[in-house]
Amino acid sequence: GQNIDQPTEMTATEGAIVQINCTYQTSGFNGLFWYQQHAGEAPTFLSYNVLDGLEEKGRFSSFLSRSKGYSYLLLKELQMKDSASYLCAATDSNYQLIWGAGTKLIIKP
Amino acid sequence: ETGVTQTPRHLVMGMTNKKSLKCEQHLGHNAMYWYKQSAKKPLELMFVYSLEERVENNSVPSRFSPECPNSSHLFLHLHTLQPEDSALYLCASSQKREGGPDTQYFGPGTRLTVL
Repeated sequence: GQNIDQPTEMTATEGAIVQINCTYQTSGFNGLFWYQQHAGEAPTFLSYNVLDGLEEKGRFSSFLSRSKGYSYLLLKELQMKDSASYLCAATDSNYQLIWGAGTKLIIKP
Repeated sequence: ETGVTQTPRHLVMGMTNKKSLKCEQHLGHNAMYWYKQSAKKPLELMFVYSLEERVENNSVPSRFSPECPNSSHLFLHLHTLQPEDSALYLCASSQKREGGPDTQYFGPGTRLTVL
């Protein structure tokens, strides 16, 4: 079957770095998305990876290893506004999105 | 700011009521989606309208009925719902293209409570 695993909740300190992991099992693979969702708001697109390696966008970076079925989202210089849920979604051979349950990130001062 | 709007933002209804959720996208996309989001569960895709075709998740009960009158508007008609249908209902849109993934853009959702 198709499956996405990510931690349910993580806590980090303002100004620190946090890494949110995601492992996936899909029928075929056509890339992986990360979304951010603040409580009561729409999920917003953060990144898309289809090739192995690290892609950096300001304070946020996303990494993919296709051979390991693994991705992570790296958040640097954490700010209180980064408190949100982070959703991982893999694209299968039919370009359907397979979603994880999301990781709730709590930032403490 | 998102180009996808949803109304109402909150809805409380009894099990015998009939109501409709509305979604509008201002992004010129050719595909629209309904998702159900329950606490601590993955997003559940309910319906997709893409290039005038409808794809549905066979596990969605018939008490949910979608309607897509054009590429910019999407409705979800609700009738005789159950308390377990209480959830956040998200609408999304994307520009589908051959042989490639498409990024979905979400609306803020309708928080539905069924009493």
